Amino acid sequence: EVQLLESGGGLEQPGGSLRLSCAASGFTFSSYAMNWVRQSPGKGLEWLAGITSGGGGTYYADSVKGRFTVSRDNSKNTLYLQMNSLRAEDTAVYYCTKDTGLLRTYFEYWGQGTLVTVSS
Amino acid sequence: DIQLTQSPSSVSASVGDRVTITCRASEDVSTWLAWYQQKPGKAPKLLIYAASTLQSGVPSRFSGSGSGTDFILTISSLQPEDFATYYCQQANTFPLTFGGGTKVEIK
Repeated sequence: EVQLLESGGGLEQPGGSLRLSCAASGFTFSSYAMNWVRQSPGKGLEWLAGITSGGGGTYYADSVKGRFTVSRDNSKNTLYLQMNSLRAEDTAVYYCTKDTGLLRTYFEYWGQGTLVTVSS
Repeated sequence: DIQLTQSPSSVSASVGDRVTITCRASEDVSTWLAWYQQKPGKAPKLLIYAASTLQSGVPSRFSGSGSGTDFILTISSLQPEDFATYYCQQANTFPLTFGGGTKVEIK
């Protein structure tokens, strides 16, 4: 059974930093691209960042480019999102997602999400 | 960025009704489009990818169609567990983008 377990969310002040982790199990982690998607309270879904299976390629939404960094440790089956220069508008539930492994990126499995609140 | 516009934003329907949701892309995405279902407090669930391919385990009352810029999600006979919010997502070009969502409510 595929499981994705996010951690690291919480309350942070504007300008601060947080590092989210996503522990993956139930599949060969090193074979799949992974992504982060967020959802602001009561709002829709926003793709943030993706990383290829080997970690050599990364992609970002303009809203987080230069502030957030996606990375992975295939030896630990873990995905990360380093979030710097946090803003109030970064307040959201952050989901770790597993790619389908098909030619294009679809989000086959999702974690339960971790809430990040940016407020002074 | 490719914009995805869903309509309607909400729909009231009864159990057994046929429900259709449309997703229009601001530019051609071929058939690189997916649909997700999200229930309150839960993570989204992949229903359909590549515009019309049903994800494993998803009931056959869900179907998708379309290509280019216009796509449709159809629920052939609405069941109580289908009341949720539905999102489309384009996978043609980075940045990946989602539609604004369609809430299916009980009439």
